[in-house]
Amino acid sequence: AAGVIQSPRHLIKEKRETATLKCYPIPRHDTVYWYQQGPGQDPQFLISFYEKMQSDKGSIPDRFSAQQFSDYHSELNMSSLELGDSALYFCASSLGGGGNGYTFGSGTRLTVV
Amino acid sequence: DAKTTQPTSMDCAEGRAANLPCNHSTISGNEYVYWYRQIHSQGPQYIIHGLKNNETNEMASLIITEDRKSSTLILPHATLRDTAVYYCIVRVPMEYGNKLVFGAGTILRVKS
Repeated sequence: AAGVIQSPRHLIKEKRETATLKCYPIPRHDTVYWYQQGPGQDPQFLISFYEKMQSDKGSIPDRFSAQQFSDYHSELNMSSLELGDSALYFCASSLGGGGNGYTFGSGTRLTVV
Repeated sequence: DAKTTQPTSMDCAEGRAANLPCNHSTISGNEYVYWYRQIHSQGPQYIIHGLKNNETNEMASLIITEDRKSSTLILPHATLRDTAVYYCIVRVPMEYGNKLVFGAGTILRVKS
């Protein structure tokens, strides 16, 4: 069965650079969620989109932005990267705003040097 | 904010049942309890969820107390591959839909 696809799997950037993470949800899933997991931390909710509209916002820095496109894939854009942005970034998808389960991708490991 | 509290860690012997408790005393009447696990920085993996009735699937059983203030995840025959961080999550509403808010999970170590 198709899963949530995230790309790239690994990304190394320098401080003050920008990064774009991509998430391709399970086919027909209309809701996407982004999470950040720092070293030794639990996943923290960043932002979510339902039917291409932002549905909720968590602890996402102003330097980050995200959107969901017409094909339901989502991109997380991160600018002015800081060392503290080094983390695993997970995307999850669901159908109908989450009532039928949430499937997570394998994540993107971002390292800022 | 997360609405659950779990033990920091637990050990379980291989082949025995693993019982992972979770307190969610502030849960609302229509909020579901979800359990996920995360193995070594992989993406969180769905285990089971429930509202008020006990649930069972091929992976685990979920026992929810009658007052819904706590629940227990049961892995009936733990294997070494079940070693992971287990998250008990109360699904919270958003303006559109619901989201999962992770708290501090339980590190389960299955030992031979």
